[in-house]
Amino acid sequence: AAGVIQSPRHLIKEKRETATLKCYPIPRHDTVYWYQQGPGQDPQFLISFYEKMQSDKGSIPDRFSAQQFSDYHSELNMSSLELGDSALYFCASSLVGEQFFGPGTRLTVL
Amino acid sequence: KQEVTQIPAALSVPEGENLVLNCSFTDSAIYNLQWFRQDPGKGLTSLLLIQSSQREQTSGRLNASLDKSSGRSTLYIAASQPGDSATYLCAVRTSGTYKYIFGTGTRLKVLA
Repeated sequence: AAGVIQSPRHLIKEKRETATLKCYPIPRHDTVYWYQQGPGQDPQFLISFYEKMQSDKGSIPDRFSAQQFSDYHSELNMSSLELGDSALYFCASSLVGEQFFGPGTRLTVL
Repeated sequence: KQEVTQIPAALSVPEGENLVLNCSFTDSAIYNLQWFRQDPGKGLTSLLLIQSSQREQTSGRLNASLDKSSGRSTLYIAASQPGDSATYLCAVRTSGTYKYIFGTGTRLKVLA
């Protein structure tokens, strides 16, 4: 069965650089969620999209933005990166409730 | 504001024991609640989803119950195995929102 695809799997950036994370949801899923998980922490909700429209927003910094495209894939853009942005970033998709998570992108900011 | 807590934070048991993991939430107006397991450095695997109108869900050795009035869900694991060792997380979606709030997780270790 198709799963959620995230790319890249690993990313290393310098402070103040920009990063773009991509998420390809399971086909026919109508909702996409983005989460940030710091070391030893639980996942923190960032933002969600339902049918390509932003549906909810969590503790997402103003330096971050996201969108969902016509083919339903989503991108999380992160600018002016800080050391504290180093984390695992997960994307999840759902149809009628149950979330399925991708493998995550590990972002390291040096 | 929805807050989700899980107890215990960590649990170590011998193989074969039956376990109960607890998840508490402050706002009972939930849309659904989902249980996950996460292995170190890995993604989250969905275990069970309980809709607001349901009282429990079962999958194999796992059973999850939901009591909205008391703001609680429990995950019951029967006949635990070393392969069950992982962190277990519950996530709550409040009605009228499209976001999930995660609990702090229970780190489970099943000893052979």
